[in-house]
Amino acid sequence: DTAVSQTPKYLVTQMGNDKSIKCEQNLGHDTMYWYKQDSKKFLKIMFSYNNKELIINETVPNRFSPKSPDKAHLNLHINSLELGDSAVYFCASSQGTGDNSPLHFGNGTRLTVT
Amino acid sequence: QKEVEQDPGPLSVPEGAIVSLNCTYSNSAFQYFMWYRQYSRKGPELLMYTYSSGNKEDGRFTAQVDKSSKYISLFIRDSQPSDSATYLCAQGGGGYNKLIFGAGTRLAVHP
Repeated sequence: DTAVSQTPKYLVTQMGNDKSIKCEQNLGHDTMYWYKQDSKKFLKIMFSYNNKELIINETVPNRFSPKSPDKAHLNLHINSLELGDSAVYFCASSQGTGDNSPLHFGNGTRLTVT
Repeated sequence: QKEVEQDPGPLSVPEGAIVSLNCTYSNSAFQYFMWYRQYSRKGPELLMYTYSSGNKEDGRFTAQVDKSSKYISLFIRDSQPSDSATYLCAQGGGGYNKLIFGAGTRLAVHP
């Protein structure tokens, strides 16, 4: 019973392509996030949605577009992929947006752009 | 300037050792501090959470915040090989549960 699940687990693609990553949570949480973890293991927030509304939008190229069809799903679409987009992308969820709401992470999507 | 600094290690200790993992932070206004543990090829999972300063203990783990020196520590007693993972410190408090993570310290506990 995976709480936060992401697909695909691995994604290898060429520069210039467009790809999507999907995320689903079955915890009943109302807030979902996308984080990026680079090769040096730094985990940085990209986006956050609360009840399908965008509440955090960090300085991320507009080639990245999140979409939340409902509270349980948050997808990430990336256009015109670049080499620097290679990273592990983690989806997470929490109950509410309070600063003490624990984040529950998925197991990541390892994106490699060649 | 990085807002949460953490030595990436790696740190290698024998089983049973006491492990000390540390971070420093720069923003005194944010008062939520967390430690996440990340096993290889897995997502981070929350290990400990503290608010403001002081100590918090949970089994073999103790989280400590020293606001005067802007220092966050995680102590692991009687370390086990199953503790081998990357430990990420994080700071929050700026609203919307936006966490700032350190780089993570890779810990290896060998039998």
